[in-house]
Amino acid sequence: QKEVEQDPGPLSVPEGAIVSLNCTYSNSAFQYFMWYRQYSRKGPELLMYTYSSGNKEDGRFTAQVDKSSKYISLFIRDSQPSDSATYLCAMTPYSGAGSYQLTFGKGTKLSVIP
Amino acid sequence: DTAVSQTPKYLVTQMGNDKSIKCEQNLGHDTMYWYKQDSKKFLKIMFSYNNKELIINETVPNRFSPKSPDKAHLNLHINSLELGDSAVYFCASSQEGTGMQAFFGQGTRLTVV
Repeated sequence: QKEVEQDPGPLSVPEGAIVSLNCTYSNSAFQYFMWYRQYSRKGPELLMYTYSSGNKEDGRFTAQVDKSSKYISLFIRDSQPSDSATYLCAMTPYSGAGSYQLTFGKGTKLSVIP
Repeated sequence: DTAVSQTPKYLVTQMGNDKSIKCEQNLGHDTMYWYKQDSKKFLKIMFSYNNKELIINETVPNRFSPKSPDKAHLNLHINSLELGDSAVYFCASSQEGTGMQAFFGQGTRLTVV
């Protein structure tokens, strides 16, 4: 079993739809959970991160973490064509100091159709 | 003003050659990373490095070596390139203690022919 599983899609939705993206993981040591957005031929950019379980909202984006189920989600409300990209979940254990090596999911390719 | 910059953006080279990719960050971060993204878009850590430690992913062949002349630079040297090394290589940086907020460069697309 891979450490982080993410459905690669592609996922195609009409503009204005609510998008739900998900990842599951197997390593209970993971404490920090992130969502990155990657446009074609660009580097990933951090959208949101959460520590441990709970919800976090930032504008149209909401991240949820359920550590008991080892399941994380990203919701995008009122999706826009500019949201069309690949969304990567990432996670890392808490080390206290030093470097954080991120473990990524394979990414879900999202297309928002005008 | 680019935060994490890599050069070159594209690199085409023959098998057996030795090549380097340069990375510079102007964010004042103290930790830098190299990631590899394969043809299936799977992004995987290769190295992380700060002034205290180098952590190497055990799956990375020893033909790959990071070199850091100073805190703002982490270059990637690859010896005896193989076809399977073709991928996009991303440099990233973060501040110690906030490593989940990694900033990525635009990537170097390496093609080995």
